Amino acid sequence: AQRVTQPEKLLSVFKGAPVELKCNYSYSGSPELFWYVQYSRQRLQLLLRHISRESIKGFTADLNKGETSFHLKKPFAQEEDSAMYYCALNKRPGTASKLTFGTGTRLQVTL
Amino acid sequence: DAMVIQNPRYQVTQFGKPVTLSCSQTLNHNVMYWYQQKSSQAPKLLFHYYDKDFNNEADTPDNFQSRRPNTSFCFLDIRSPGLGDAAMYLCATSRGVGSPLHFGNGTRLTVT
Repeated sequence: AQRVTQPEKLLSVFKGAPVELKCNYSYSGSPELFWYVQYSRQRLQLLLRHISRESIKGFTADLNKGETSFHLKKPFAQEEDSAMYYCALNKRPGTASKLTFGTGTRLQVTL
Repeated sequence: DAMVIQNPRYQVTQFGKPVTLSCSQTLNHNVMYWYQQKSSQAPKLLFHYYDKDFNNEADTPDNFQSRRPNTSFCFLDIRSPGLGDAAMYLCATSRGVGSPLHFGNGTRLTVT
């Protein structure tokens, strides 16, 4: 069965410090992985996906198939990065996305 | 601004009293989804429509039904809400294959 694990419920870092939000997955096929973010009082929205290999708002995530991980990283945290972050796995690549979400990690960036 | 709109933001219903949550979209997306998110848990997919084709998740209770009368609207019907159905219900849309999901703000359902 597909599963997405985000081990940390809360991650608190100082402004300017590096950030790493952990995500591990279990999936028998070739996965499609995403990070979604929810800022305070806003809707859940896509942050980035592994196939794009891009940096969004300074965040990057690399798919490591050997470790079955898709950790989200940013070298220098900003206050506006404070939000809820969800890792998600598409369990049906090649068709309409059916996402399995992790339980989320709340990132708190303090001065 | 093209959006996914959920009404109402907050819904209170009584135990066993049918309730309907609504979702509309101006994105003209093919796919519409309903997710249930309980406190401190991951959003869980209940079902989705690809155009008019309904796709139910295997573990979605029979108590939950959905209707999609046209491209723009999708409804979630809970026939006999129990206390355990209290949750945030998220509607999302996508264009289809390989397309990201666009979420609404959600409807928080309280069952008294």
